Amino acid sequence: QKEVEQNSGPLSVPEGAIASLNCTYSDRGSQSFFWYRQYSGKSPELIMSIYSNGDKEDGRFTAQLNKASQYVSLLIRDSQPSDSATYLCAVKSGLGKLIFGQGTELSVKP
Amino acid sequence: GAGVSQSPRYKVAKRGQDVALRCDPISGHVSLFWYQQALGQGPEFLTYFQNEAQLDKSGLPSDRFFAERPEGSVSTLKIQRTQQEDSAVYLCASSLRSRGIGYNEQFFGPGTRLTVL
Repeated sequence: QKEVEQNSGPLSVPEGAIASLNCTYSDRGSQSFFWYRQYSGKSPELIMSIYSNGDKEDGRFTAQLNKASQYVSLLIRDSQPSDSATYLCAVKSGLGKLIFGQGTELSVKP
Repeated sequence: GAGVSQSPRYKVAKRGQDVALRCDPISGHVSLFWYQQALGQGPEFLTYFQNEAQLDKSGLPSDRFFAERPEGSVSTLKIQRTQQEDSAVYLCASSLRSRGIGYNEQFFGPGTRLTVL
């Protein structure tokens, strides 16, 4: 079992819809969780961090964390074609390194 | 302000050559990380520095890989006797600290794409 697992995309949603991206992790002691967006040929860009159970909202993005279920999700409301990218879930481990999932490719169709 | 910078952006090496990749972290960031990203995969951790101290090098794939950060700012990742399997994007990230809510967020540089022929 991989330490951080994500939906195997690609995920395709119509413009204006809600995109839901999911991630599970294996280390029950993890405390810090991050979502990165990566456009093709570019480096990962931090879009959300979450540390406690519940929801955290930032504009059109909502991160959800459930430590009991070892589950993190990212919701993107009113999806735009410019949201089309690969979304990486990352969990902080050990002295500070990030363990990444394999990423979910999101495609928002106009 | 300036983000993380890396150079070169692209590097083509012949098998067996040595290469050196440079990372300039965000000013004032104590923690610096190197990751390797293969095509279609998430980044994989290589090594971590807190100031000039290399605290974790558990991800370095072989003794051909070496990293340093002698003055606690700029870091260099060196790969000796490159092999084709070293072809990847090498990403550098920095954070203000390694712990603490709001302080441990890692910001990535643009990466160096290494191709070994």
